[in-house]
Amino acid sequence: GAVVSQHPSWVICKSGTSVKIECRSLDFQATTMFWYRQFPKQSLMLMATSNEGSKATYEQGVEKDKFLINHASLTLSTLTVTSAHPEDSSFYICSARARDAVYNEQFFGPGTRLTVL
Amino acid sequence: KNQVEQSPQSLIILEGKNCTLQCNYTVSPFSNLRWYKQDTGRGPVSLTIMTFSENTKSNGRYTATLDADTKQSSLHITASQLSDSASYICVVDGGTASKLTFGTGTRLQVTL
Repeated sequence: GAVVSQHPSWVICKSGTSVKIECRSLDFQATTMFWYRQFPKQSLMLMATSNEGSKATYEQGVEKDKFLINHASLTLSTLTVTSAHPEDSSFYICSARARDAVYNEQFFGPGTRLTVL
Repeated sequence: KNQVEQSPQSLIILEGKNCTLQCNYTVSPFSNLRWYKQDTGRGPVSLTIMTFSENTKSNGRYTATLDADTKQSSLHITASQLSDSASYICVVDGGTASKLTFGTGTRLQVTL
């Protein structure tokens, strides 16, 4: 089956530092990757959509200069949280979709827990 | 506005019992409806996906139903196990050009 990995699974950083999260599709080519954020007891909120080789499309209210997304290859997308602050602490989940995905299905990664001190 | 509402918000059942989770949606256009299981601290895992023409789909002890006329879906869990404790999220997909609309989930706890 389609497998999506994320690294790291958790990270703790100091306020003001930048953190990079990787999302990889392990056994398929992901033409589109999605980044979500999830706060405790809430559902997933889409942050941005990225297509391989092009700029990401950000959802309203998501600062593109703060959350840098790169989708340089068909198997890797990265999310960099720049100058992180405690309010950025959250669970970040990526998903990946193949070009002709059946049911338009996205496969989700296991998530990355970010804690900013 | 596209919305997906789930009920109940939370549920506690005894191991071995059955339960049914509900999902009502107002999403247009509609391509398919999905149920996901999300364990605490993990990403969502797909349980079932149903298109407009499908009204039931099973995956082991999980059976989902879809009534596209009333825009309702349910997820029935049979003979619950402790490992079923998780959040169950109903998601409606509007198609390739649309975003997914997520429900807020039902938190299920299975106890001894």
